[in-house]
Amino acid sequence: DTAVSQTPKYLVTQMGNDKSIKCEQNLGHDTMYWYKQDSKKFLKIMFSYNNKELIINETVPNRFSPKSPDKAHLNLHINSLELGDSAVYFCASSRSGGGTDTQYFGPGTRLTVL
Amino acid sequence: AQTVTQSQPEMSVQEAETVTLSCTYDTSESNYYLFWYKQPPSRQMILVIRQEAYKQQNATENRFSVNFQKAAKSFSLKISDSQLGDTAMYFCAFMKPSGFQKLVFGTGTRLLVSP
Repeated sequence: DTAVSQTPKYLVTQMGNDKSIKCEQNLGHDTMYWYKQDSKKFLKIMFSYNNKELIINETVPNRFSPKSPDKAHLNLHINSLELGDSAVYFCASSRSGGGTDTQYFGPGTRLTVL
Repeated sequence: AQTVTQSQPEMSVQEAETVTLSCTYDTSESNYYLFWYKQPPSRQMILVIRQEAYKQQNATENRFSVNFQKAAKSFSLKISDSQLGDTAMYFCAFMKPSGFQKLVFGTGTRLLVSP
């Protein structure tokens, strides 16, 4: 059973389009995250939600909008895609969000903007 | 703000040998957590080992162990008896202990294990 799943795993789209990436966890965790891994493999937090509430919002363009319909799901919608949005996006979850809790990552979604 | 530095972009080791990956960090916190994550070619991020700063004993997980030097702000990963399956990117990461926190990652070290 997959603990943290993401769909799709690969996404190829044109500049200017709008796309969504979905994430689901079946671990019963309260906190979920979105991380971005750029072409140099650098990983950086984008957002964090705890029990459907936005907790962490790093300096991310407004074109990125996370949505958490329930604590098991955290989706990422991206408007007006740009070339620089090409990256691997990872969803993660943890029990409560503190350092005592391990973050479990999904398999990642490779987004390519042409 | 916390920063994590991995000064070795790439490392190579032969099967069965031992390799050490370096990580240093900068923080004014006295308590925190440190992690090593492995990212194989499959892209999946896998937790290898974690260390709590207030624990002096170095963490160990099978062939993986750390050398945690709090005063030097150093957190290196030693992989013993390297296996081909250890080939991956390895990321060092930092997290504050309390409240809602994020992982702050280093730039990663690419490890290649050859036969």
